[in-house]
Amino acid sequence: DTGVSQNPRHKITKRGQNVTFRCDPISEHNRLYWYRQTLGQGPEFLTYFQNEAQLEKSRLLSDRFSAERPKGSFSTLEIQRTEQGDSAMYLCASSDTGEKLFFGSGTQLSVL
Amino acid sequence: QKEVEQNSGPLSVPEGAIASLNCTYSDRGSQSFFWYRQYSGKSPELIMSIYSNGDKEDGRFTAQLNKASQYVSLLIRDSQPSDSATYLCAVSKNYQLIWGAGTKLIIKP
Repeated sequence: DTGVSQNPRHKITKRGQNVTFRCDPISEHNRLYWYRQTLGQGPEFLTYFQNEAQLEKSRLLSDRFSAERPKGSFSTLEIQRTEQGDSAMYLCASSDTGEKLFFGSGTQLSVL
Repeated sequence: QKEVEQNSGPLSVPEGAIASLNCTYSDRGSQSFFWYRQYSGKSPELIMSIYSNGDKEDGRFTAQLNKASQYVSLLIRDSQPSDSATYLCAVSKNYQLIWGAGTKLIIKP
């Protein structure tokens, strides 16, 4: 399978706990994106990497969120001190052009 | 005003009919436009891209772009129950995508 892989598929956590998600992009894609999506809304941009460099981060994103992409390969998204409002589907996408995005299956986060 | 607007629906269409989905955008400088399909609980999947004014056909799907009116649409011919999904319009801006909230399409057998 050469598509975008995300783990875990589901995560249930208690408020205040830290969580980390992983994304493995399509191998030849140098661009990697993280989005968040809630029911009835389109994907909301979180952050963007080109190779290992984090080039943009949403101004709406609090400092509880951090992302890394060491060596320009897989990426991790960490949320510290989770809040109930963080409950959402977290989507990772990769691209070689920055326009046509290929999405992973997403990680559904539930904060209790 | 949102940068990319879509009617949230649901849009209900009989099986075999043409489904017409519409999207307007605010940035007149936008150059690239995309339609993604998203089944419930799944991630978005690219189905059409269009870059120039006019129509672009791919199987049962036709994307239409009118830059003067800042309007892009998606037509689905011979609609099937499997086309029931949310359709997301996305517009490229600075090599990133600005997304609409999506239109929920229901194809009635």
